Amino acid sequence: DIVLTQSPVLAVSLGQRATISCRASQSVSISSINLMHWYQQKPGQQPKLLIYRASNLASGIPARFSGSGSGTDFTLTIDPVQADDIAAYYCQQSRESPLTFGSGTKLEIK
Amino acid sequence: EVQLVESGGGLVQPGRSLKLSCAASGFTFSDYNMAWVRQAPKKGLEWVATIIYDGSRTYYRDSVKGRFTISRDNAKSTLYLQMDSLRSEDTATYYCATHGVHYFDYWGQGVMVTVSS
Repeated sequence: DIVLTQSPVLAVSLGQRATISCRASQSVSISSINLMHWYQQKPGQQPKLLIYRASNLASGIPARFSGSGSGTDFTLTIDPVQADDIAAYYCQQSRESPLTFGSGTKLEIK
Repeated sequence: EVQLVESGGGLVQPGRSLKLSCAASGFTFSDYNMAWVRQAPKKGLEWVATIIYDGSRTYYRDSVKGRFTISRDNAKSTLYLQMDSLRSEDTATYYCATHGVHYFDYWGQGVMVTVSS
C-alpha cells in the first residue's frame, strides 16, 4: 500500500500562510498527472473535497486554497488563514489500490 | 443540491451483521460510481469499497473482502453496504461518497457503527 505521511499538527496565526505537506512512500504521478487530492474535515462534519489532482480547486472552494507538488511531495497552502479554516486536512492518493489517505494534519490557530 | 443520507448504523455484537443504506438525491445517481469510506473514532479516513455506476464491478480493501458487500439500486437512487462477520476493528463512522475518476466529490454526513459485546 502507498503510505502518505503528514505532520499531525500545524499552528499558524490568523492572516498568515499555512503550508501543509504530504509525502508519499512512492510516486503517485503518472506522466504529468498527479493523483493526489486534498480534503478538509471540520469537527463533527464530513470531509469536503478541496483540491483534486494536486492543483485543481474543487467547485465552491475559495481561492485562498491552493495545491502543488508532483511525484512524492505535495503541498496544500491556505493564504491567508481564516478562523473558519480550523479543521483537519487529509491528502489521498489514487495512483493504485487500495486508495489511501494520510493521517491528517490538524490546523490550529496560534 | 447533492444530498447523501446514510442510515442503518448502530450497536452490534462481534460476528453479527448490519446493512447500511445511503439515499442519494440532487444528481443522476446512475451516472456516478459510489463508495464507502470509514473513520474509526479519533482516527483518519479509510476507503472501504467502490461500486461502478451500473453495478457491474466492485472493489474492496483487503480487510473487508469476503465480509462486506457493496451494492446499489439505481431505480431507488440508493447505495448499500452489507457488513457480515463484524469485528471490533470495524467500529467507525461510515460515509458514503460519490467516487469521481480519482477522488471523492461529495460525502454524506456519516453513520456510526459500533461493534461490541
